[in-house]
Amino acid sequence: GDSVTQTEGQVALSEEDFLTIHCNYSASGYPALFWYVQYPGEGPQFLFRASRDKEKGSSRGFEATYDKGTTSFHLRKASVQESDSAVYYCALGDPSSGSWQLIFGSGTQLTVMP
Amino acid sequence: GGIITQTPKFLIGQEGQKLTLKCQQNFNHDTMYWYRQDSGKGLRLIYYSITENDLQKGDLSEGYDASREKKSSFSLTVTSAQKNEMAVFLCASSIEGPNTGQLYFGEGSKLTVL
Repeated sequence: GDSVTQTEGQVALSEEDFLTIHCNYSASGYPALFWYVQYPGEGPQFLFRASRDKEKGSSRGFEATYDKGTTSFHLRKASVQESDSAVYYCALGDPSSGSWQLIFGSGTQLTVMP
Repeated sequence: GGIITQTPKFLIGQEGQKLTLKCQQNFNHDTMYWYRQDSGKGLRLIYYSITENDLQKGDLSEGYDASREKKSSFSLTVTSAQKNEMAVFLCASSIEGPNTGQLYFGEGSKLTVL
């Protein structure tokens, strides 16, 4: 079945560091890819999506580019702030399967120190 | 804007007990979801509903029932709580399917089984 893999369970950075969170997917069809962010005590919030190869999604200084060749959708930010500390989830939705399920990765806890 | 309200925020039950979680949304969205969030495992779909009185099983539906009697509400029942179970249940809604739109999540209901 379809799946999403986030290799980093936890990432610790200092303010103004560059961020990369890796996301790789496996899908039989041509999925849409998503990033969600979850702050403590809140539900996940949609960050952005991409649905075609080479399409870039972006929001709040975060960005990711859909790469069908490497089956990846890595999250990047040039300069993180303490307020970016949260859990980040990569997810996919596969319209060709006829399923309405979003499949989420296991999440990456980002901690940014001042 | 709209909001998703989950009740209760905290639920403590006994082994074997039937427990019900409720979710209300005022977005006027068609589709609603219940996800289970476990530490290190991401979010897994339990049930979703495309419209009033519709129910679709997700990958984690065993041990759960759901009900969608009104467009604005979606309830989830744990049919027999498992001892030492601890998880957060997240309700979400979307105006379209997850492959086109975005999901709006509630803050979650935390279940502890003694």
